[in-house]
Amino acid sequence: DTAVSQTPKYLVTQMGNDKSIKCEQNLGHDTMYWYKQDSKKFLKIMFSYNNKELIINETVPNRFSPKSPDKAHLNLHINSLELGDSAVYFCASSPRGDHLEQFFGPGTRLTVL
Amino acid sequence: AQTVTQSQPEMSVQEAETVTLSCTYDTSESDYYLFWYKQPPSRQMILVIRQEAYKQQNATENRFSVNFQKAAKSFSLKISDSQLGDAAMYFCALSTSGTYKYIFGTGTRLKVLA
Repeated sequence: DTAVSQTPKYLVTQMGNDKSIKCEQNLGHDTMYWYKQDSKKFLKIMFSYNNKELIINETVPNRFSPKSPDKAHLNLHINSLELGDSAVYFCASSPRGDHLEQFFGPGTRLTVL
Repeated sequence: AQTVTQSQPEMSVQEAETVTLSCTYDTSESDYYLFWYKQPPSRQMILVIRQEAYKQQNATENRFSVNFQKAAKSFSLKISDSQLGDAAMYFCALSTSGTYKYIFGTGTRLKVLA
C-alpha cells in the first residue's frame, strides 16, 4: 500500500498551459510539503501545510498555488507554465513537521516544451 | 540563516570498502535535527539515518553510521561494507524544531565499483 502517492508521474506540456499535480498520503500525517528538484538535483522546499493550513511559502511565483482540501491531500496547480518550471516535483509528509522523518512520494517529472 | 553544505559532488568506493560522505551545516538554533536521505536512480527519496542534536551518541543503522561533531557543525555519513545497491545521490538535511522546514544540501553522488 503506497504511503505517499503522486499523480501523474510524468507530465509533458507546452509553455503557457496550466497543469495540476495531485498528492495523497495514507499515513495519517499532519504536515505535507511540496519540493522542487532541478536538473542539478538541488532540492528546495516550496510549500508546507500543517492540518490544511499554509505554514511555509518559500518565495515561489504566484503562478504556483497549492491547495489542501483535507489533511491527506495536497495538490499543486501551476498556471502559465514556463520553461524554467521543468523539474521533478516531490510531495512529502511527516507526522508533526519539524523533526521527524519525511516520507516522500515518487516525484512528478514535469517537462515544459 | 540556516545552510547545509555538501562539498563532495561525487565519490567512488570499491564494493565491500568503507566510504565517508561529508556534510557541514549552520544554524543558530539549539534544537535541531539532521538527516541523511538516499535517492537511487528510481528517484525515490529514502531516509538513511537521523540524529537529534541534543544526543551526543552518534546514530547507527546497520552499515550506516554518522560522525556528529556538534561544535564543528559537521555531520558525516559512513557507509561500511559498501554494496552495489548503495549507489545513489545522498542528501544531508537539517530541520529546526517548530519551523516545519527542512534544508537540504546539494547532494553527493556515490558510485560503487564492482
